[in-house]
Amino acid sequence: NAGVMQNPRHLVRRRGQEARLRCSPMKGHSHVYWYRQLPEEGLKFMVYLQKENIIDESGMPKERFSAEFPKEGPSILRIQQVVRGDSAAYFCASSPKKEGYTFGSGTRLTVV
Amino acid sequence: GNSVTQMEGPVTLSEEAFLTINCTYTATGYPSLFWYVQYPGEGLQLLLKATKADDKGSNKGFEATYRKETTSFHLEKGSVQVSDSAVYFCALIVDTGRRALTFGSGTRLQVQP
Repeated sequence: NAGVMQNPRHLVRRRGQEARLRCSPMKGHSHVYWYRQLPEEGLKFMVYLQKENIIDESGMPKERFSAEFPKEGPSILRIQQVVRGDSAAYFCASSPKKEGYTFGSGTRLTVV
Repeated sequence: GNSVTQMEGPVTLSEEAFLTINCTYTATGYPSLFWYVQYPGEGLQLLLKATKADDKGSNKGFEATYRKETTSFHLEKGSVQVSDSAVYFCALIVDTGRRALTFGSGTRLQVQP
């Protein structure tokens, strides 16, 4: 039973490009969460999704960031027109209905 | 709102020393409390948890007790090893529809041989 799979592990983008981060939850998990970790800081909640629905996006920046969790395929976190301040580690977690977060290994985004 | 405060690091100890990492919290509602560990270049792993007052979570020699009266969840280990070197995060979740973890800023532990 594979864990939460995130790819790519490392992503380098130039300012103004788009970044697409993928997360495949654990088998049987229908809830996905995205968190961002800035250097030397804790993780900050961004968005909570279930299949085809955004449940809570209160932690998402108002512009340039979007997330989806389609019926088929991985969850995608998209960052348009990236800026240097978007450089961070982005972690995905999944859970079954109620308990038990499992985190992926993260995608480390570097904007140059 | 919810918040978690951890002692600042880095904490540097010699092997076999006693470890305490302080964690206090504020929460609207009754939280569950967690300690996560992050090894270099990796994601977070759940270390232990406690869901109600006076519960003690334990794993791999680490312990933490949910103290409602002091709103604390301090992490302890009697004898640390070099392999315990990592960043430790205290976190909470309040069982509402939001289901988002609130994390502390993390405490880096360095254990020297």
